[in-house]
Amino acid sequence: KQEVTQIPAALSVPEGENLVLNCSFTDSAIYNLQWFRQDPGKGLTSLLLIQSSQREQTSGRLNASLDKSSGRSTLYIAASQPGDSATYLCAVRPNSGYALNFGKGTSLLVTP
Amino acid sequence: SAVISQKPSRDICQRGTSLTIQCQVDSQVTMMFWYRQQPGQSLTLIATANQGSEATYESGFVIDKFPISRPNLTFSTLTVSNMSPEDSSIYLCSVEKTGMDTQYFGPGTRLTVL
Repeated sequence: KQEVTQIPAALSVPEGENLVLNCSFTDSAIYNLQWFRQDPGKGLTSLLLIQSSQREQTSGRLNASLDKSSGRSTLYIAASQPGDSATYLCAVRPNSGYALNFGKGTSLLVTP
Repeated sequence: SAVISQKPSRDICQRGTSLTIQCQVDSQVTMMFWYRQQPGQSLTLIATANQGSEATYESGFVIDKFPISRPNLTFSTLTVSNMSPEDSSIYLCSVEKTGMDTQYFGPGTRLTVL
């Protein structure tokens, strides 16, 4: 059974800092990996999707990397802003089926 | 992308009652899913809602407890039956369009069972 772990569970940083969120998974037979942002009452927003054949994806200040063989992904946030405060979720999709396996998330607080 | 709405956004229910959650999408989609997020836990897939046939349930979830309807390609309902406090969770609907690998999520329904 795929296990997805996110470290740290919570993180507080001052505005302007660069930060890295970590995600690890136990089964490397994945179809893709997706990073989401969860805001209270607003559901999940897809941030980046990395296909299993890709190494990284970038969108604005966000960069996600994938090392499938070692079962790791990182989400890099540059020049953090208070508006980045949210819970960040990592989800892995297996080669068969549609069920996303989620980590418990990293709760990020960016202080002004 | 897809715009997804859910009703209700939140509810407080008594033990032993049932609640039906609605999910509406702004365009036709092939795949619709229902997830549960228990307090402090990760999101877990309950079932895939199939249009015109019975839903496909994940291990640990049964139709008697979580009946699902999917009458067309833009709408689905999830019923949480005979509720207990352990059913207190956020329930989220998600969709995936044909040819796209990204799943889009609704805002969720926060359920509290007393």
